[in-house]
Amino acid sequence: NAGVMQNPRHLVRRRGQEARLRCSPMKGHSHVYWYRQLPEEGLKFMVYLQKENIIDESGMPKERFSAEFPKEGPSILRIQQVVRGDSAAYFCASSRIREGINRDNTEAFFGQGTRLTVV
Amino acid sequence: RKEVEQDPGPFNVPEGATVAFNCTYSNSASQSFFWYRQDCRKEPKLLMSVYSSGNEDGRFTAQLNRASQYISLLIRDSKLSDSATYLCVVAWGPYSGGGADGLTFGKGTHLIIQP
Repeated sequence: NAGVMQNPRHLVRRRGQEARLRCSPMKGHSHVYWYRQLPEEGLKFMVYLQKENIIDESGMPKERFSAEFPKEGPSILRIQQVVRGDSAAYFCASSRIREGINRDNTEAFFGQGTRLTVV
Repeated sequence: RKEVEQDPGPFNVPEGATVAFNCTYSNSASQSFFWYRQDCRKEPKLLMSVYSSGNEDGRFTAQLNRASQYISLLIRDSKLSDSATYLCVVAWGPYSGGGADGLTFGKGTHLIIQP
């Protein structure tokens, strides 16, 4: 049972290019979260998605950043016209949907992250 | 947005000592609570869930205080390998049978165990 898969692990882009980060959640998980971590800083929430829906994008910059989680395929975090300040580790996490009274075992599991370097 | 607050530290603690840190959360409707551990430049990993009655896993004890809206993590007989950043995580949202609740992470408490 594979865990959360992120690719690529490392991505180098020149300023102005586009970066596409992919996240395949664990089997059976329908919630996906994206976080950004700048060097020497904590995790910062970006966006929370369920299949075909953006639930909360309050942490996402208004411009250049977008995210999707299609019915089929991985979740994609897209950064257009990258700048040096976008250099960071981007982590994806997934969790199960919560249904019924039993809300246990709803913890999130993380992928190993994509380290984006903008040169 | 719902807030989760932690003391960033660093906490410098001698090996073998007991260390505890707290985390406060702002949303009284929060439902689930977790502690995660993050080692340098790696992904966070679940350390333990936090249950209402408190729970223990080896040297680690987690407690929840709903009235004061905080959770705590106690580490006994600390070891060098416990050095890491500990993240408090809260799942919010009223019970809605599968509604759009999510997770909020604190910024983490940095722990350094010294020989």
